[in-house]
Amino acid sequence: DIQMTQSPSSLSASVGDRVTITCRASQGIRNELGWYQQKSGTAPKRLIYAASSLQSGVPSRFSGSGSGTEFTLTISSLQPEDSATYYCLQHDSYPYTFGQGTKLEIE
Amino acid sequence: QVQLQQSGPGLVKPSQTLSLTCAISGDSVSNNSAAWNWIRQSPSRGLEWLGRTYYRSQWYNHYAISVKSRITINPDTSKNQFSLHLYSVTPEDTAVYYCAREERVPATALYYALDIWGQGTMITVSS
Repeated sequence: DIQMTQSPSSLSASVGDRVTITCRASQGIRNELGWYQQKSGTAPKRLIYAASSLQSGVPSRFSGSGSGTEFTLTISSLQPEDSATYYCLQHDSYPYTFGQGTKLEIE
Repeated sequence: QVQLQQSGPGLVKPSQTLSLTCAISGDSVSNNSAAWNWIRQSPSRGLEWLGRTYYRSQWYNHYAISVKSRITINPDTSKNQFSLHLYSVTPEDTAVYYCAREERVPATALYYALDIWGQGTMITVSS
């Protein structure tokens, strides 16, 4: 199985801050990666697909980059509603695997 | 607008079968540009992909090795839905279960990451 190592596991930041979350794959996955936001009691919501394509309707402060084994999700100017847990998902090969999540708190 | 609506019992006894259904609106389970997945989430295991079904002139399935010996995912074209059956459950199968769609990248065999998700169903395995 491809292991997705996500860091940090949690972080706290202030409104307006720039935040970066990283996912490392244990082997190359091309750009077959998505980023998700999950708020308590709800299903994950896709933010980014194909590593860097912004999901329609998602604010442009969210962006993704990377290819191969290193990927990042960046929030350029943190907003209060961005408080959530974020996950990466690789779908390059079976079984699809998720990162363990990054819990983002707004100070 | 594509929506997925899950249904099924929330409590299953150990050794019995967990069965969930995901009803599709705004798309077709037979769409040859989509695949239909099940995922679960628990505090101990995080998000775990379980398997998928899709139609490309015939039906195909892929399952996670961790559950392969006791899972089936079946399409139901008459009701435009797909189902999950997980056999011989134990308390370790307690989790929130989600169905989700994948869309195929046009003119390729590749897919975009899971886009549409069901609302989730909390399943407790307990006697």
